[in-house]
Amino acid sequence: NAGVTQTPKFQVLKTGQSMTLQCAQDMNHEYMSWYRQDPGMGLRLIHYSVGAGITDQGEVPNGYNVSRSTTEDFPLRLLSAAPSQTSVYFCASSYTYWGTGVEAFFGQGTRLTVV
Amino acid sequence: GQQVMQIPQYQHVQEGEDFTTYCNSSTTLSNIQWYKQRPGGHPVFLIQLVKSGEVKKQKRLTFQFGEAKKNSSLHITATQTTDVGTYFCAGPRGAQKLVFGQGTRLTINP
Repeated sequence: NAGVTQTPKFQVLKTGQSMTLQCAQDMNHEYMSWYRQDPGMGLRLIHYSVGAGITDQGEVPNGYNVSRSTTEDFPLRLLSAAPSQTSVYFCASSYTYWGTGVEAFFGQGTRLTVV
Repeated sequence: GQQVMQIPQYQHVQEGEDFTTYCNSSTTLSNIQWYKQRPGGHPVFLIQLVKSGEVKKQKRLTFQFGEAKKNSSLHITATQTTDVGTYFCAGPRGAQKLVFGQGTRLTINP
């Protein structure tokens, strides 16, 4: 049981480059989210999805795009990388909505450096 | 919007000492969750609290949910080196978002 899989684990980008962070889950979860983790800032929500074809913005969406064409996959796209996007990115999933207290399953994370 | 504030940001203890982290929300929460992240790892779910005044224990860890469902705490008795990591609380914002506190990073002197 793979759970939530993120690729790549590490990435270095030059300012202005674009890239896609991949996230896939094999638990048939409806809810998926992307977070970024910065020192002293905790986990901040970038974008989230409540099902295939449905996405919405979180707290810090600028500079990022998402799509959800299947239940399994929720890629995060950086349109034009900036040094301020240097961070650790986590994808999380849950089988239903957070209001019920269900746990979030996290991927291993992608450590991104923008130079 | 709803914020979840967590204190302290850092805590360093001697092995065997107790540790407590506190979480406060600006609004009433339907539930609160706690996660642990080991250094270099990803957050892992520890527990959820749903009822007002609820107290749950996991071995040396005690979790409390306030009567007003706006605050929570995690207390570790007699810390061990395996407790090292960052502890996060998280609460739902509406049905569709899960919002995390800033986390408390625990380091332990053996």
